[in-house]
Amino acid sequence: DVKVTQSSRYLVKRTGEKVFLECVQDMDHENMFWYRQDPGLGLRLIYFSYDVKMKEKGDIPEGYSVSREKKERFSLILESASTNQTSMYLCASRGHIGSSYNEQFFGPGTRLTVL
Amino acid sequence: RKEVEQDPGPFNVPEGATVAFNCTYSNSASQSFFWYRQDCRKEPKLLMSVYSSGNEDGRFTAQLNRASQYISLLIRDSKLSDSATYLCVVILYNQGGKLIFGQGTELSVKP
Repeated sequence: DVKVTQSSRYLVKRTGEKVFLECVQDMDHENMFWYRQDPGLGLRLIYFSYDVKMKEKGDIPEGYSVSREKKERFSLILESASTNQTSMYLCASRGHIGSSYNEQFFGPGTRLTVL
Repeated sequence: RKEVEQDPGPFNVPEGATVAFNCTYSNSASQSFFWYRQDCRKEPKLLMSVYSSGNEDGRFTAQLNRASQYISLLIRDSKLSDSATYLCVVILYNQGGKLIFGQGTELSVKP
């Protein structure tokens, strides 16, 4: 059974703190993604990676960075958390070619609150 | 204009009802289409792909109209367990296979 896991389901941080969100997939997928989901705005792509050490900006990268040192792990970093980064963060992965390319598998999400 | 637009709902229907969701997309280069389902406080999961000829999976029927850039999902004989948010998704292969998500349509099926 395919699996994407995220390090925390709920996280509370203070303004200015550095925050690390970890994501691990066990499907040997090349592509990994970080989204945030907010009411009325839907899913918005923050960053994605199509290979180890490769990263691409999504639609809303400001205030975030990412790291992909190993194929199975994709980390999202909030350098200095702000209250407008309070959100649900979803990690996803997807295969490269063939039938696994179209389906995107999501982790359970991390609900981050920044006070 | 959003790239993928859906009526956010909520759609409140009785058990057994037939309900239809619509979705429009603005990028004519969109090449693959899907419906995802997201339960409350859970992650989105693939429900079904949408093919040009239309396709059916049990009580669910998906349709695509490329000329009008329009996708639909029909649910027949609604069950309580169908209550969820339904996300319309398109893939842009000319942008590296980027997935574009609609903001979702909320369905609530009542007894």
